Amino acid sequence: QKEVEQDPGPLSVPEGAIVSLNCTYSNSAFQYFMWYRQYSRKGPELLMYTYSSGNKEDGRFTAQVDKSSKYISLFIRDSQPSDSATYLCAMGAGGTSYGKLTFGQGTILTVHP
Amino acid sequence: GAGVSQTPSNKVTEKGKYVELRCDPISGHTALYWYRQSLGQGPEFLIYFQGTGAADDSGLPNDRFFAVRPEGSVSTLKIQRTERGDSAVYLCASSFGRANTEAFFGQGTRLTVV
Repeated sequence: QKEVEQDPGPLSVPEGAIVSLNCTYSNSAFQYFMWYRQYSRKGPELLMYTYSSGNKEDGRFTAQVDKSSKYISLFIRDSQPSDSATYLCAMGAGGTSYGKLTFGQGTILTVHP
Repeated sequence: GAGVSQTPSNKVTEKGKYVELRCDPISGHTALYWYRQSLGQGPEFLIYFQGTGAADDSGLPNDRFFAVRPEGSVSTLKIQRTERGDSAVYLCASSFGRANTEAFFGQGTRLTVV
């Protein structure tokens, strides 16, 4: 079993829809949680990060973390065709593993006009 | 440049050959990371440098893989006796201090072993 599981999709939605992306994890040592966006043939780009359970909002994006259930989500409101990309969740632990991020396999999102 | 720069952008090599992949981090970033991304997968951690030293190399798959960062800036990932299974995109990222929550990734080097 992988430490981080992410539904690979693909996910196709109409413009303006609310998108929900999810990851589950098994490692209780994970302390911080991130969402990256990756366009084709580009490197991942950080969208949001959070250290605690609860919600964090940034514009059209909301990141949600539930440590008790080991479950994180990213919501995208009013989705745009420019949001079409692969979305990656990533998690990190502290201590000697500080520099290492563990990624999900990514969800491919297409927003059609 | 303003971002993380990786060269070459593409590399095709024959099985058994030696390759070097280069990463120029953002100026002033002390932490540098290497990841490998296979098709349809998320990036997989290889190694993390803090300054000149490898703080965590637990992700290097075997002794054919080695990375250096001699002056605490540019890093080179070296792969000996390449195998077809090494084909992937090799990503480099850098961050200021230990804040890998704000790591910036380069575009990657696409390595193809034929």
